[in-house]
Amino acid sequence: DQQVKQNSPSLSVQEGRISILNCDYTNSMFDYFLWYKKYPAEGPTFLISISSIKDKNEDGRFTVFLNKSAKHLSLHIVPSQPGDSAVYFCAASAWVSGNTPLVFGKGTRLSVIA
Amino acid sequence: DAGVIQSPRHEVTEMGQEVTLRCKPISGHNSLFWYRQTMMRGLELLIYFNNNVPIDDSGMPEDRFSAKMPNASFSTLKIQPSEPRDSAVYFCASSPTVGVNQPQHFGDGTRLSIL
Repeated sequence: DQQVKQNSPSLSVQEGRISILNCDYTNSMFDYFLWYKKYPAEGPTFLISISSIKDKNEDGRFTVFLNKSAKHLSLHIVPSQPGDSAVYFCAASAWVSGNTPLVFGKGTRLSVIA
Repeated sequence: DAGVIQSPRHEVTEMGQEVTLRCKPISGHNSLFWYRQTMMRGLELLIYFNNNVPIDDSGMPEDRFSAKMPNASFSTLKIQPSEPRDSAVYFCASSPTVGVNQPQHFGDGTRLSIL
């Protein structure tokens, strides 16, 4: 049973427009959420995170929103650029004793069209 | 700064052979994680270590899989004997001190093909 779900395997967006990637989770103990970006033949790269005490975190063009009641988070990229084309993974953990394992979604492939 | 270093980048071998994947975490990081990525199951955690001690190996699929961390700068994941269904990309990741939420930093992975 998947605890972190990314229901859209792919997304295409025009350059300059907003990209919205979605993620749902089932474990109410999760309190730390991250987004990773992955290019082909490379490892996932950390992008942005949010703890459960916040509902929004912003870093440049990237903003993560957390809706705890809906167990939903989203990543907004504005404006989208061709270099943003990659697979995006949502991940979550329950901080009990420190570095608890991350549970990953299966990813969403974003294509930004010039 | 050097990131997480994995070797080899690619490994092709015949079923039944022993396979050893290697990982050097980022210096100063106390936690190390081994993941496997497949199309069907996505990124799965196999095992993780804190301060060189295995903490949770519940993700290791079978006894054919074993992992060690003899010191803070080196870890291995071994498959013996290997089977075609072990074909996947294996990632190693590390993160800093236990006790705070910190992102994990990934290596570029080892693409393993078992024929």
